[in-house]
Amino acid sequence: AQRVTQPEKLLSVFKGAPVELKCNYSYSGSPELFWYVQYSRQRLQLLLRHISRESIKGFTADLNKGETSFHLKKPFAQEEDSAMYYCALIRGNQGGKLIFGQGTELSVKP
Amino acid sequence: DAGVIQSPRHEVTEMGQEVTLRCKPISGHNSLFWYRQTMMRGLELLIYFNNNVPIDDSGMPEDRFSAKMPNASFSTLKIQPSEPRDSAVYFCASSLGHGDEQFFGPGTRLTVL
Repeated sequence: AQRVTQPEKLLSVFKGAPVELKCNYSYSGSPELFWYVQYSRQRLQLLLRHISRESIKGFTADLNKGETSFHLKKPFAQEEDSAMYYCALIRGNQGGKLIFGQGTELSVKP
Repeated sequence: DAGVIQSPRHEVTEMGQEVTLRCKPISGHNSLFWYRQTMMRGLELLIYFNNNVPIDDSGMPEDRFSAKMPNASFSTLKIQPSEPRDSAVYFCASSLGHGDEQFFGPGTRLTVL
């Protein structure tokens, strides 16, 4: 079955430190991968998607099909990055059906 | 644009009662999604519609749950009868097409006593 795994429930770093939120998936086909973010008291929103290959708010994520991973990285964390981050995938033939990971809470301390 | 609108934002009800959650998607969006978020299971898709037609309802937990989309600007998710294990946050999301970015509503926090 298709699955998205985020092994860390909570990740705590200091401001300015590098951050990597891990995401692994299981799917035999060609998935489309996403990172969604939910800041405190705000709606869940798209952060980035692998097909766009862009950097948003300093975050990047590279799809590694060999390792079936889509880790989210930022070289220097900021306090405003503190939020809940969800990795998600859409199966190639399943249209909009997003399968979410359990989420990782990122806490950036001053 | 106010984005995806959900009502009510909070609902507290007693076991056995009928609960109706409402969603207004972003105007012009053709796909609408209902998700449920719990501590145990995280975020899971319940059902999604494309052009008002249900495409995939495999995530609907059981017959007590039903969803409708009578027109492009309105959808409901109904639970009848409700049970305590239905307590969760229910999100509605919409997108232009069913592979496009999904825009989420603020969610409805349901508590069934």
